[in-house]
Amino acid sequence: AQKVTQAQTEISVVEKEDVTLDCVYETRDTTYYLFWYKQPPSGELVFLIRRNSFDEQNEISGRYSWNFQKSTSSFNFTITASQVVDSAVYFCALHAYQSGSARQLTFGSGTQLTVLP
Amino acid sequence: NAGVTQTPKFRVLKTGQSMTLLCAQDMNHEYMYWYRQDPGMGLRLIHYSVGEGTTAKGEVPDGYNVSRLKKQNFLLGLESAAPSQTSVYFCASSFPRGGGTGELFFGEGSRLTVL
Repeated sequence: AQKVTQAQTEISVVEKEDVTLDCVYETRDTTYYLFWYKQPPSGELVFLIRRNSFDEQNEISGRYSWNFQKSTSSFNFTITASQVVDSAVYFCALHAYQSGSARQLTFGSGTQLTVLP
Repeated sequence: NAGVTQTPKFRVLKTGQSMTLLCAQDMNHEYMYWYRQDPGMGLRLIHYSVGEGTTAKGEVPDGYNVSRLKKQNFLLGLESAAPSQTSVYFCASSFPRGGGTGELFFGEGSRLTVL
C-alpha cells in the first residue's frame, strides 16, 4: 500500500526565515508522481508542483524549491524568505497504483505553516 | 470558466437523514474524485470515476454511494448519515495526461455536519 508521511504537524517561523517541509513516501510502484498542494485559510486546494519518479532534478520556482531524493523516498519543500501570505496547510501527495485498481492520489496529513510578522 | 463547482457549500443533517452532494466540472475532464478532509488526517479518497458511467471505491467508501451519469457531473450520496460523516468534502477532477497523472483541480469544499 502507498503511504505519505508528513511528520511535522505544525511549524511556526518569523517572516523572512527559510522553512523546509518534509515529506516521506512509500510505494511499490516504479512509476509514480509526487505533488505538493497548498490550502490557505480560505479552504481551497492550490496545486504547487508535480514530479514524476524518473526526474530527480530539483526544481525552483521563485521562493519555492523542491528536493526529490529517491534514495531516501523524500520530496521536501523549501520556502525561502517566508512571508505571512505563505501561512497555510501544505499537503504532500503521491500518485501511484494501488493493488488491483487504477492510480490513486494519496495525501499526507498536512503541515500547518504559520509565518509570523 | 467555473472549473469545479460543488453544491451545497454547507449542510447540517440529523442522524439517519439522506443527502446528495453534487459536483460539476466544465473542463471536459475524464477523471473525477470525492475526498473527505478530517483534522490531522489529510484528504482521504472516498470514490472516484475514470469516465462516464464508471465508478470505483477509494480508501474510505463505506456509507457513501456515487454516480457518474454524465461526464461533467459526479454525485456523492449519503443514504443514512452518521455523525462520523461530519467532514469537509472535496470534489476534484483531472484530465489523465500520461495515464492519470495530471494535476487535480479541486472544488471549494462542502462542509457537512451530522448531528
